[in-house]
Amino acid sequence: DAKTTQPPSMDCAEGRAANLPCNHSTISGNEYVYWYRQIHSQGPQYIIHGLKNNETNEMASLIITEDRKSSTLILPHATLRDTAVYYCIVRFSPQGGSEKLVFGKGTKLTVNP
Amino acid sequence: EAQVTQNPRYLITVTGKKLTVTCSQNMNHEYMSWYRQDPGLGLRQIYYSMNVEVTDKGDVPEGYKVSRKEKRNFPLILESPSPNQTSLYFCASSFTGGHSNQPQHFGDGTRLSIL
Repeated sequence: DAKTTQPPSMDCAEGRAANLPCNHSTISGNEYVYWYRQIHSQGPQYIIHGLKNNETNEMASLIITEDRKSSTLILPHATLRDTAVYYCIVRFSPQGGSEKLVFGKGTKLTVNP
Repeated sequence: EAQVTQNPRYLITVTGKKLTVTCSQNMNHEYMSWYRQDPGLGLRQIYYSMNVEVTDKGDVPEGYKVSRKEKRNFPLILESPSPNQTSLYFCASSFTGGHSNQPQHFGDGTRLSIL
């Protein structure tokens, strides 16, 4: 079962920042937080991941609380093409482990013009 | 360009007619995996492979076979397809785990309809 809780849907105005929350209160010390998104029925697309520190890349920023029980994905300037289902996943991959990703229901983000 | 390529993208076939969905990656990833996605059930792992000649069952392996003879290829085989295998299938790959925890890359999907 997914170890994360996300709101089922969110709306955002085009050009504004989209802040997607995720609760992972049972996260263990060696588990990473990953964010993926799926646009319509395309393959899930990796966005960003982190362990403790906040992370930023060309797509988004990831803010992880100090107690690591929640995180927020930030899309700084949302566009219509960012409309998708966003999945927050916590996972640890030990050497030789199955690498399985457990996708929950995610958040359906709709960016409105 | 780094990518995971699946073929075919769409297939309509009939019950019992063997089919193979191919998956190829050009990133030298050790790990490859197959998922299926169904409405209301999300993505579920079918089979995975940690490296060449090493495969293992995921959560929903019944009715499927896989092989990993080469690092870059991981075909999904349906020996005798049935209508309950109508689904959207995704192949994924990554470097194996450990401290790097590199992300998985997904193909564009294969939509199978079994009549």
